[in-house]
Amino acid sequence: ELKVEQNPLFLSMQEGKNYTIYCNYSTTSDRLYWYRQDPGKSLESLFVLLSNGAVKQEGRLMASLDTKARLSTLHITAAVHDLSATYFCAVDSGGGADGLTFGKGTHLIIQP
Amino acid sequence: DAGITQSPRHKVTETGTPVTLRCHQTENHRYMYWYRQDPGHGLRLIHYSYGVKDTDKGEVSDGYSVSRSKTEDFLLTLESATSSQTSVYFCAISDRDRGINEQFFGPGTRLTVL
Repeated sequence: ELKVEQNPLFLSMQEGKNYTIYCNYSTTSDRLYWYRQDPGKSLESLFVLLSNGAVKQEGRLMASLDTKARLSTLHITAAVHDLSATYFCAVDSGGGADGLTFGKGTHLIIQP
Repeated sequence: DAGITQSPRHKVTETGTPVTLRCHQTENHRYMYWYRQDPGHGLRLIHYSYGVKDTDKGEVSDGYSVSRSKTEDFLLTLESATSSQTSVYFCAISDRDRGINEQFFGPGTRLTVL
């Protein structure tokens, strides 16, 4: 059974600081997705990582994938309040037509 | 935005009543999914579909059934709702035939079972 663990689950940080969210998973996979969810809203796709060593960047967010370590990171650079949200990683087991396995999410609060 | 709608958006019902949630897409994607989101659990897969009349169970399928008679519609039914099924339900679609399972989510349905 594929397990996906995120840490931390809750993070409060100040604007201008850097931080990293970690996503570990339990079985071999080279496909990992990051999503953002604002309170009361749906999930928005942020990054699609499809191979070992993949790195994607969008603004102050950068995601990377290390399939050998079964680890993905979401790095926040010089955080701003607008990045406050819950971030989910999700792993594709790749075996069939089934869905993604999600981590429990990291609730990020960025304070002025 | 991917063309995905869900109805109803909010529903309050009583224990023991049947409930059907609808997901409608305009993207003509073959793959559709139902998830539930609960505090502390992230999203968990209920059922999924890989084509008309082709469905299968996910991680938390007990108490739920699905049907897909048209490409654009995927229905989730709670035959006899229980309080443990109070949750936010999300539908998602994927153009998985391209080899990527990036999923796009509908707006969600907030269901309360009293």
